[in-house]
Amino acid sequence: EVQLVESGGGLVQPGRSMKLSCAASGFTFSNYGMAWVRQAPTKGLEWVATISYDGSSTYYRDSVKGRFTISRDNAKSTLYLQMNSLRSEDTATYYCTRAGDYGFYFDYWGQGVMVTVSS
Amino acid sequence: DVQMTQSPSNLAASPGESVSIDCKASKTISKYLAWYQQKPGKANKLLIYSGSTLQSGTPSRFSGSGSGTDFTLTIRNLEPEDFGLYYCQQHNEYPPTFGAGTKLELK
Repeated sequence: EVQLVESGGGLVQPGRSMKLSCAASGFTFSNYGMAWVRQAPTKGLEWVATISYDGSSTYYRDSVKGRFTISRDNAKSTLYLQMNSLRSEDTATYYCTRAGDYGFYFDYWGQGVMVTVSS
Repeated sequence: DVQMTQSPSNLAASPGESVSIDCKASKTISKYLAWYQQKPGKANKLLIYSGSTLQSGTPSRFSGSGSGTDFTLTIRNLEPEDFGLYYCQQHNEYPPTFGAGTKLELK
């Protein structure tokens, strides 16, 4: 059974940093691209970043480019999202997702971790 | 970015009925549209990708149709567990973009 378990969220002040982790199990992690998708309170889903199966390629939405870094450790089956210079508009539940086999969709999701950016 | 417009925003129906949710892209996305279900306390679930391909485990009462800019998710013979939020997402190009969601409620 595919499992994605996020951790590392919480309350952080504007301008500070936070690192999210996602522990994956139930599949061969090193064979799949992975992504983060977020959802602000009472809002819809918003893609944040994607990383290829081997970490050689990364993609970001414009609003997080230069501030967020997606990375992975295939030996530990773990996905990361380093978030710097956080803003109030980054407040959201962050979901770890597995990329689908046939394109830029997301075939498995974690339960999500809440990040609140506030002073 | 490709804008995705879902309609209706809210939908009320009874078990056993059939419903349809529409999703319109701001430019052609070929067949590359996915549908997700979101329910409180549960992980989001991929239902359909590439417009009409059912993800493993998706019940056959769900179907997807459309291509180009106009797509539809149809749920036949609604079951109690089908009530929740539904999102469409284009997976034709970066950045992947989602519709605003449709809330399917019990009438």
